[in-house]
Amino acid sequence: TQLLEQSPQFLSIQEGENLTVYCNSSSVFSSLQWYRQEPGEGPVLLVTVVTGGEVKKLKRLTFQFGDARKDSSLHITAAQPGDTGLYLCAGRVGAQKLVFGQGTRLTINP
Amino acid sequence: DSGVTQTPKHLITATGQRVTLRCSPRSGDLSVYWYQQSLDQGLQFLIQYYNGEERAKGNILERFSAQQFPDLHSELNLSSLELGDSALYFCASAKGTSGGAGTGELFFGEGSRLTVL
Repeated sequence: TQLLEQSPQFLSIQEGENLTVYCNSSSVFSSLQWYRQEPGEGPVLLVTVVTGGEVKKLKRLTFQFGDARKDSSLHITAAQPGDTGLYLCAGRVGAQKLVFGQGTRLTINP
Repeated sequence: DSGVTQTPKHLITATGQRVTLRCSPRSGDLSVYWYQQSLDQGLQFLIQYYNGEERAKGNILERFSAQQFPDLHSELNLSSLELGDSALYFCASAKGTSGGAGTGELFFGEGSRLTVL
């Protein structure tokens, strides 16, 4: 059973389109992170959100933490081929444990 | 380059065998995390160490064990290997805290790809 459910699991869209990826749970997290992973590499941190309702922007990427700290979303505006990759959300449980969702595999077609 | 080194990068072995995966964390990081990534399971948390002590345990099988040494490198031992153990095994390090919640970034190595035939 996955503690964090990401949707969609796969997404293929055209360059220039907008998209949103969701990360949902029934658990409350002290913080939530989004990572991006490219083939042959380990995940790399994009952002950490801590406060319920928090919104963070990273260029064309907008991250939001749900008010109840149980869910998060990642919105990409005007997607580019360079955005292609596996996007992973990760929630911190307790003092140390960081659990990941199963990931959203995003493909941006030129 | 994340600064986390994992060896070996690739490993092919037979069912029933035992292997050891090694991880050197970033300089100064005290926490080491181990994750298993397979196609249908995503990134599964196995175990975490802080400064040589086990701090959190996830879905780690009894056939698997890990430790963190005084020089802070860590090893993940996988024994009585089964076909289903084939996966990418990632090590990640973080500065970590002795007990606080923390929001720190995890720095991942490039992974060790294990194939069990």
